[in-house]
Amino acid sequence: NAGVTQTPKFQVLKTGQSMTLQCAQDMNHEYMSWYRQDPGMGLRLIHYSVGAGITDQGEVPNGYNVSRSTTEDFPLRLLSAAPSQTSVYFCASSYTPTPQETQYFGPGTRLLVL
Amino acid sequence: AQTVTQSQPEMSVQEAETVTLSCTYDTSENNYYLFWYKQPPSRQMILVIRQEAYKQQNATENRFSVNFQKAAKSFSLKISDSQLGDTAMYFCAFMMQGGSEKLVFGKGTKLTVNP
Repeated sequence: NAGVTQTPKFQVLKTGQSMTLQCAQDMNHEYMSWYRQDPGMGLRLIHYSVGAGITDQGEVPNGYNVSRSTTEDFPLRLLSAAPSQTSVYFCASSYTPTPQETQYFGPGTRLLVL
Repeated sequence: AQTVTQSQPEMSVQEAETVTLSCTYDTSENNYYLFWYKQPPSRQMILVIRQEAYKQQNATENRFSVNFQKAAKSFSLKISDSQLGDTAMYFCAFMMQGGSEKLVFGKGTKLTVNP
């Protein structure tokens, strides 16, 4: 059981480039989400999904796209990277989006946009 | 909108001693949960403890316990017998019961346990 995995661990992008951050879980969790963590800040929700084919926006969705074609995978796409998107990105999953369920976090992807 | 405030950016404690991290929150809801998450230098976010707002009894998990004051909207974390492995960022978080689908985090407290 690998839990929640994220790739890559670290990425450098130039302004305007696009890329996809990968997130996968092998726990058959229906709920998956993406957060970003900036220095001196707590985590903020970008997008979330309550099941395959269903996604919705979180607190800071601008500049990011998501899709959920399978239960296991929830990729986060940066369409045109900007320096303001320099951050650490965490993917999380749980059986349901309820507070009774423990959310499991991946190890994070550190992104630097120059 | 819910907000979570952690007023102590950094704290330190000697090994084997007790330390308390503070958290206050603001909400007009009655049904919610509060959490403390630990983020060690590895960056992996780990759930430490969870409190249901409708339960008056404070949650405990081994050396970790909370002091939940619902009327004051206060939710502090007490770590007893501090260990070097407790060195980490600690985040207080809030989640509504039903329909919220998101954790709202505070800015975190950096705890250092000194030998």
